[in-house]
Amino acid sequence: GAVVSQHPSWVICKSGTSVKIECRSLDFQATTMFWYRQFPKQSLMLMATSNEGSKATYEQGVEKDKFLINHASLTLSTLTVTSAHPEDSSFYICSASGIAGVLSYNEQFFGPGTRLTVL
Amino acid sequence: KNEVEQSPQNLTAQEGEFITINCSYSVGISALHWLQQHPGGGIVSLFMLSSGKKKHGRLIATINIQEKHSSLHITASHPRDSAVYICAVRPSNTGNQFYFGTGTSLTVIP
Repeated sequence: GAVVSQHPSWVICKSGTSVKIECRSLDFQATTMFWYRQFPKQSLMLMATSNEGSKATYEQGVEKDKFLINHASLTLSTLTVTSAHPEDSSFYICSASGIAGVLSYNEQFFGPGTRLTVL
Repeated sequence: KNEVEQSPQNLTAQEGEFITINCSYSVGISALHWLQQHPGGGIVSLFMLSSGKKKHGRLIATINIQEKHSSLHITASHPRDSAVYICAVRPSNTGNQFYFGTGTSLTVIP
């Protein structure tokens, strides 16, 4: 299957700082990328959907000014947590779907996730 | 109300046992995924189903569209199968969005 990478895999930061997480599709063009958040013992919750070259669509309750998403190219999307606070500590996961070879529209490929800890 | 329900929530098995995890959903779907999440957090997509049955190694996934139900089976379970297994469905009336189950935490004891 296709490969999606995330960087960094974990990050610890001080309260009030901003953190950028990168999501890359390594061997296909990701026309759509998704950002999820997962709190301990809970399932994934969709934060936003981004299509290359357009503004992200945020889920209800997700602050777009706090979680800045940029999908500037077909292989890269970034999530920036601005002015992070301890309650933002979570596991952030991206996934991507797109078109390349045998990849179907319905297929989503998940990144390995980024664990954010805000002190 | 959760559109996707998984059972059991937690499962402990002895190495070698046959394991079944169930997923029921309440919406019309275009696809169903079974995902595996290891303790470190990374997620691997095991199967994508829209009908019938798929097999990969010791893993088998089935889906019954009429009954809105899917099962994931693991034959000859091994401690390395210990992980959280998540059922995710793509509703047929939305774009790329998924509804996720809360996961089944599997522990296989040697």
